[in-house]
Amino acid sequence: AQSVTQLGSHVSVSEGALVLLRCNYSSSVPPYLFWYVQYPNQGLQLLLKYTTGATLVKGINGFEAEFKKSETSFHLTKPSAHMSDAAEYFCAVIVDSSYKLIFGSGTRLLVRP
Amino acid sequence: EAGVVQSPRYKIIEKKQPVAFWCNPISGHNTLYWYLQNLGQGPELLIRYENEEAVDDSQLPKDRFSAERLKGVDSTLKIQPAELGDSAVYLCASSRREDTEAFFGQGTRLTVV
Repeated sequence: AQSVTQLGSHVSVSEGALVLLRCNYSSSVPPYLFWYVQYPNQGLQLLLKYTTGATLVKGINGFEAEFKKSETSFHLTKPSAHMSDAAEYFCAVIVDSSYKLIFGSGTRLLVRP
Repeated sequence: EAGVVQSPRYKIIEKKQPVAFWCNPISGHNTLYWYLQNLGQGPELLIRYENEEAVDDSQLPKDRFSAERLKGVDSTLKIQPAELGDSAVYLCASSRREDTEAFFGQGTRLTVV
């Protein structure tokens, strides 16, 4: 069965520090990969996605992620955290033509002043 | 362009009572999803529609949950009767057919007391 694992339910960084949120997946076929962000009491907003082509994907708000097939990973990074980045981040995959998103359990990012 | 609209945003009901959620997808989006998000977890698919046809309802608890998408546009999700364990956020999402990007509404937070 396909699954998504996000290491660390909570990540705390200082403002201006590097953000690294980890995501690993298990899939028997090449997946489509996504990162979504959820602010309090809001729906999910797409940050970035990988479908084919370049494995380093740039998204909104300065975030990027790299698909590493050998490591089955799709970690999310941002060089410098901002207070407004504090939110819940979800990694997700699509593994078949149903386009059903399979989500990880999420990582809450805390940004310290 | 308006996003996915859900109502109500919040609902508190007593157990054993019925409840219904409404979703208006983005205009032109053939595919509509209902996801369930329990506290501290990622969303899980309940049902997927292609136009008015439910093409994946394998995760919908059919003893108490029902959904419809008449005319292939708006959709309603109903629970009858509600149980304490149904307390969660119910998210609606829509996409163009065979498009990997799904757009989410703000969700309905249900509290069953």
